[in-house]
Amino acid sequence: GDSVTQMEGPVTLSEEAFLTINCTYTATGYPSLFWYVQYPGEGLQLLLKATKADDKGSNKGFEATYRKETTSFHLEKGSVQVSDSAVYFCALSGIRDGNNRKLIWGLGTSLAVNP
Amino acid sequence: NAGVTQTPKFQVLKTGQSMTLQCAQDMNHNSMYWYRQDPGMGLRLIYYSASEGTTDKGEVPNGYNVSRLNKREFSLRLESAAPSQTSVYFCASSDLSPSEQYFGPGTRLTVT
Repeated sequence: GDSVTQMEGPVTLSEEAFLTINCTYTATGYPSLFWYVQYPGEGLQLLLKATKADDKGSNKGFEATYRKETTSFHLEKGSVQVSDSAVYFCALSGIRDGNNRKLIWGLGTSLAVNP
Repeated sequence: NAGVTQTPKFQVLKTGQSMTLQCAQDMNHNSMYWYRQDPGMGLRLIYYSASEGTTDKGEVPNGYNVSRLNKREFSLRLESAAPSQTSVYFCASSDLSPSEQYFGPGTRLTVT
């Protein structure tokens, strides 16, 4: 079945460091891909998305490119800030049964950025 | 717009008690979802409602029931709470496509 695998955390970085959080997926067809962020004590919110191969999603300095050849959607940011400390979730829209309303979730990667 | 709202924010129950978690959205979305979040387990889907009048089981439905009261509201009921149901519960909603979901702030439930 469809699945998402994220790199395990926690990830700890110093402010202004480069961030990569790996995400790979297994899916039938052409799912949409998402990164969600969860700040401490809050619900999840959409960070960025890509709906077809080679699309690049971007928001708040974060980027991710939908790579069909490597089935990946890695999250990157050139210079992290303390305020980026959060848990990041990779997800794909499951379409196997023709219903693209459910999301398949990775387990989340915790990021801590130190000043 | 308030987006997705959930009540209560916190709740402590004793084993065997029942309660209903409330969720409402004001975005006119068709689909609504209930998840639980546990350390190391990520998000697990309990139930979802693809449209008003329909509900379906997710990955972990045992011990829960849901009601899609109308297009705005989707409630989750625990009939007889167990310590294994201690978790953070999130409600979410989405339009038909492309599955982008909007989350509420969560309910932190402890069952003793």
